[in-house]
Amino acid sequence: KNQVEQSPQSLIILEGKNCTLQCNYTVSPFSNLRWYKQDTGRGPVSLTIMTFSENTKSNGRYTATLDADTKQSSLHITASQLSDSASYICVVSFSSGGYQKVTFGTGTKLQVIP
Amino acid sequence: GAGVSQSPRYKVAKRGQDVALRCDPISGHVSLFWYQQALGQGPEFLTYFQNEAQLDKSGLPSDRFFAERPEGSVSTLKIQRTQQEDSAVYLCASSLGLASGLYEQYFGPGTRLTVT
Repeated sequence: KNQVEQSPQSLIILEGKNCTLQCNYTVSPFSNLRWYKQDTGRGPVSLTIMTFSENTKSNGRYTATLDADTKQSSLHITASQLSDSASYICVVSFSSGGYQKVTFGTGTKLQVIP
Repeated sequence: GAGVSQSPRYKVAKRGQDVALRCDPISGHVSLFWYQQALGQGPEFLTYFQNEAQLDKSGLPSDRFFAERPEGSVSTLKIQRTQQEDSAVYLCASSLGLASGLYEQYFGPGTRLTVT
C-alpha cells in the first residue's frame, strides 16, 4: 500500500531556531515529492517539488532533501519565524491507471514561539 | 479571482440532510481534485476530473458521495444523507496539466462540514 509517514507529529521551537521535518514513503512507482505548507483554515500551498534525480532544493529559508534510495525526504527550516507556524505536509506522486496520483502524509504541526 | 474558491466555507448539517459543496477552480485549469481532510490528518483523495470527465472516483467513501463538473469548470461535491463521520474539511484543488504530479495543485480554502 502506498504510504507517506511524517515525523515528528508536532514540534515547538523558539523563534530564530532551525528545525528539520522528516518524511518516509513507500509509494511506487515514484514520480516526485512535494512539501506543502498549510496554515490553519487554509488550503495547502506548495513549497518545493523534487523529482527522482534531485537531492536538494531550496526555497528561501526552506531546504528540502530527497534520498530516493532510502525513500526519505526532509524539510529544513532555517532561522524560523512566527509565520512558519503551520502544518507541513509531504506529498508523493506516483503513476496509477494511466495518470499520476498523489498520496499525502499526515503532516507535522510546527509551532514557533517567541 | 486568481485562486481556487470554495463555498460555503462552513456548513453545519443535521444527520440525514443532503449537502452540496461548490468549487471554482482557477480559470483554464484542466484537472480538478476533491479531498477529504479529517482533523489532524493529511488530505485523502476523493475524486479527480479531467475537464468534465470524472476519471477517478475510487476515493469516494460511499455511494452517498457524488461529484460533477458538467462544463469542465465549476465542480460540485454532493453528500446525501449525511452521517457524523462525514464531518471533515473538504478541499478542492486544480492544476493546469493532466494530473501529472509535476503540475502544482492549487488548493482552495476548503469547506468545513460539521454533521450534528
